Amino acid sequence: QVQLQESGPGLVKPSQTLSLTCTVSGGSISSGNYFWSWIRQPAGEGLEWIGRIYNSGSGSTNYNPSLKSRVTISVDTSKNQFSLKLTSVTAADTAVYYCARGSAYFDYWGQGTLVTVSS
Amino acid sequence: EIVLTQSPGTLSLSPGERATLSCRASQSFGSNYLAWYQQKPGQAPRLLIYGASSRATGIPDTFSGSGSGTDFTLTISRLEPEDFAVYYCQQYGSSPRTFGQGTKLEIK
Repeated sequence: QVQLQESGPGLVKPSQTLSLTCTVSGGSISSGNYFWSWIRQPAGEGLEWIGRIYNSGSGSTNYNPSLKSRVTISVDTSKNQFSLKLTSVTAADTAVYYCARGSAYFDYWGQGTLVTVSS
Repeated sequence: EIVLTQSPGTLSLSPGERATLSCRASQSFGSNYLAWYQQKPGQAPRLLIYGASSRATGIPDTFSGSGSGTDFTLTISRLEPEDFAVYYCQQYGSSPRTFGQGTKLEIK
């Protein structure tokens, strides 16, 4: 059973960089032809897909155009992890951030981690 | 970007009743690349349906999906107490992937 767990600071100051890591257990992140994604959800609102990375050596990425200029997703197969960096954050980036498996539909999700942007 | 509009915003029903949730897309996105998720408070979304009508692993057959083109439906044939939650549709026929705003299914 694949499990995902997000980790990272729960509080980030405006204009700084949000950094989160997703640790995958129950299987190798590099096995199978899977993409790994980040999705976020502001409190009381809907879901927004942030971007994805492929699990092969190429680490091919695709990002939501609305965030593309500020987002980087990377993968570390040796640690079975993938990561999210979001630069120049504002209060609008306050949300629960989820990591998930998939790039089409998402069949495994982490429990989510709340990141608050505030000084 | 494809916009998904879900209706109704809130659906009030009793256990044992049938629920019908709608998801309409702003444009066709090719084939039936639509998924449905259930989300309970404080939890991550759970995949219910993919390919518009295929149930995900472990999902009971009381859940069914249908539709094509721009109009899709999630039906829960007989509501159990644990089915009351928020439901989201999501398209994956076009990038970026987008979600509907959700339908809250509440106990009447």
